[in-house]
Amino acid sequence: SQTIHQWPATLVQPVGSPLSLECTVEGTSNPNLYWYRQAAGRGLQLLFYSVGIGQISSEVPQNLSASRPQDRQFILSSKKLLLSDSGFYLCAWSVSSYNSPLHFGNGTRLTVT
Amino acid sequence: GENVEQHPSTLSVQEGDSAVIKCTYSDSASNYFPWYKQELGKGPQLIIDIRSNVGEKKDQRIAVTLNKTAKHFSLHITETQPEDSAVYFCAAPKTGFQKLVFGTGTRLLVSP
Repeated sequence: SQTIHQWPATLVQPVGSPLSLECTVEGTSNPNLYWYRQAAGRGLQLLFYSVGIGQISSEVPQNLSASRPQDRQFILSSKKLLLSDSGFYLCAWSVSSYNSPLHFGNGTRLTVT
Repeated sequence: GENVEQHPSTLSVQEGDSAVIKCTYSDSASNYFPWYKQELGKGPQLIIDIRSNVGEKKDQRIAVTLNKTAKHFSLHITETQPEDSAVYFCAAPKTGFQKLVFGTGTRLLVSP
């Protein structure tokens, strides 16, 4: 069966510090990978998605970047965090086809102080 | 592009009552509609989905109905239990892209 791992579960970082969140998927090949952000009590905002190694699409201009160095690894990064980067970050995967369900990880709660 | 609206934003029911959450979508080409349940501090989990070749799908106490003419779909939970308390999201695909557009979520509270 497929599993998705996301870490860390919680993170507190000072403004101006770098960020690296990692997500890995097991049990499937060539998945689509996604990063979402969820502000407190709000909906799901798609930040990045990837249909293959090195292929990243950005949904909104922001202080973050994403990379996919391996087929089942997706990394969310920032060089200098802003207070507004605080939120709940979710990684998800789907099979590489249209109209497929997303499978989410358990998220990382990021607090920028 | 696809736009998904979800109502109500909050819903309080007594245990044993039914709960209904409604979503509308804008792209008539959309043909896949999943529902997700998100418990506090966790990622959303897929609970049921429906494709446009059927009008209704059931899985025990939950069901989803789809009206393609009116471009809306609904989640129905019968005999609600306190453990059904969570935030529920509907979604629809963005045509031509391998990604989903989510509704804004409904916070369901089931009181014992």
